[in-house]
Amino acid sequence: DAKTTQPPSMDCAEGRAANLPCNHSTISGNEYVYWYRQIHSQGPQYIIHGLKNNETNEMASLIITEDRKSSTLILPHATLRDTAVYYCIVRLRPTDSWGKLQFGAGTQVVVTP
Amino acid sequence: NAGVTQTPKFQVLKTGQSMTLQCAQDMNHNSMYWYRQDPGMGLRLIYYSASEGTTDKGEVPNGYNVSRLNKREFSLRLESAAPSQTSVYFCASSGTDRGENQPQHFGDGTRLSIL
Repeated sequence: DAKTTQPPSMDCAEGRAANLPCNHSTISGNEYVYWYRQIHSQGPQYIIHGLKNNETNEMASLIITEDRKSSTLILPHATLRDTAVYYCIVRLRPTDSWGKLQFGAGTQVVVTP
Repeated sequence: NAGVTQTPKFQVLKTGQSMTLQCAQDMNHNSMYWYRQDPGMGLRLIYYSASEGTTDKGEVPNGYNVSRLNKREFSLRLESAAPSQTSVYFCASSGTDRGENQPQHFGDGTRLSIL
């Protein structure tokens, strides 16, 4: 699976959009980008995933560049409850792999009032 | 609405003691996983079970054994605990939808300290 690079930390003001970058320059054509987050003392929580098209769900939006070498997770209106470590993970498409995930260090996001 | 349930939530052991961490899911998922998380680090896969009756090693299997008791339950055993196994342990499960693996659901973890 491709390696990902994320900034170690970032701050965001409550009510504003949070844009979390992730570089995955060695991604291959059959690898998906997944985002999870981990709120302190809890288990990781799935947010969103995508292959090459932009994706949106009730939690967030995922923007993947045309060359697929990077992506951005967007939390449209950050709240204090969005303070967490956010993990960007690249892995084989779901039909090729039963589901193994490789977590890096992630980005610590702090939402401030 | 339980999802993935882990027991116990906290445990303190002495070096050399044995312990089994329990995990159960009520989502009818085929695949289950055990991860460990050390301070300031991401999760590392210990063992996984792609389906009932099968188990395989992950990144860091040494010192652990697992049992997929049935479709719902996947236990992790430390036969002789060592201080290096002090960590937070997470269990997860995932299912399939029309042949495609779905995202993993995680429990809230077991915090294990070994003195």
